[in-house]
Parts: sequence; C-alpha cells; structure tokens
Amino acid sequence: GQNIDQPTEMTATEGAIVQINCTYQTSGFNGLFWYQQHAGEAPTFLSYNVLDGLEEKGRFSSFLSRSKGYSYLLLKELQMKDSASYLCAVRDLGTALIFGKGTTLSVSS
Amino acid sequence: GAVVSQHPSWVICKSGTSVKIECRSLDFQATTMFWYRQFPKQSLMLMATSNEGSKATYEQGVEKDKFLINHASLTLSTLTVTSAHPEDSSFYICSANPGPSSYNEQFFGPGTRLTVL
Repeated sequence: GQNIDQPTEMTATEGAIVQINCTYQTSGFNGLFWYQQHAGEAPTFLSYNVLDGLEEKGRFSSFLSRSKGYSYLLLKELQMKDSASYLCAVRDLGTALIFGKGTTLSVSS
Repeated sequence: GAVVSQHPSWVICKSGTSVKIECRSLDFQATTMFWYRQFPKQSLMLMATSNEGSKATYEQGVEKDKFLINHASLTLSTLTVTSAHPEDSSFYICSANPGPSSYNEQFFGPGTRLTVL
C-alpha cells in the first residue's frame, strides 16, 4: 500500500533551525516534493528530490535517501511567516502526487 | 512559474443542488489535471485524474457519478459535485502539469471552498 508519514506538529522559535522528517512506502518512486501550505490556501512548491542527497534553496534544504524511504526538509533562520503546514508528497508510478498528512509548524518569537 | 486558476473561490449551496468548479491553466496547456479534496486539518487526497479528451480516472472510493469531471480543452477541467450533501463540504484543489519533462512539477490552483447547508 501507499503510506507517507510525517510528524503532526512541531514548534520552534524565530531564528532557529527545524528539520521535518518524512518516511514513505509507495508502489513506485518518481520524485519527492515538499510543499508549504498556509491555512485556507493552496500548497506552494518548496523543493523536489529524485536523486539521493541534499538540495539547497536559500533557507530551505531537502534531503532524500531512496534506499531508506526517507526525506527531510530543513528550514534555517526561521521567521514567523514560516508558520504553516509542510506537506511531503511522493509521485509514484504515474504523475499524480500522494500526500502525507502534513506537519503543522508553529514559530514563536 | 505556471499559473492555475479556479472558479469560484468559495461557494455555499443547499443540500441536493449541484455545484460546478472550474480549473484553468492560464499560460500553458495541460493534458492532465488533478482534483484533490482536503478536509479540515487533513492532507490533500487525490480524487481523480482528468485527461483531456478522455474519461477521468477516479481513485478508489470516489464516486464517479457524484463527482463529474470534464476536461474539454487543454486549458480547462471542470468538477461538478452532483446532489451535494453536507458531508461534501470541503476544500477542493486542482493542479495541472505543464507537460513532459524531467521535472514535471505540478502547479496548484488557489482552491475552492464548498459549504453545503
């Protein structure tokens, strides 16, 4: 079956670093995505990994280990505006994305 | 990046009525569009894959006669919720794929919030 796990909630303070983990078991694998979603809005793209390793983009980095079925999203220099849900999604054999339940991150001052 | 629009952004309707939601790719052609549903504090659940010029592919548990999908052109897909009931109240989001590439990012519309009274 298809299963994507990530923590339900996380808290952090401004300026800190937070790592959001995601593990997956899917029929196939054709890329892993991270999206940010603010309440009541559509998801916005953050990162994409298809090969093992770290992808860095500004304050955000994403890591993938295909052999372990594991990814993490790393957020540095946290800001209040980073408070949102972070969705891990896997594209398996087709082009549709399978989403995890999302991790709600609360950033406090 | 590519832009996907949805209309309406929100709708309130009475139980038993039908509601049509439009999803448009504004600056690219999309042979495939996806419809997701998101209940409060839950993640996005894929409902169906909409293919231009052919029948949609529905996920297990999604009633194709209740959620009618029409992908009549390369820039427009519609989702009609027929005989809506309160349990259909949800956030409906579409996404579109700009085309074959090694990246194949999906772009999401802003979503439509449906409330059935």
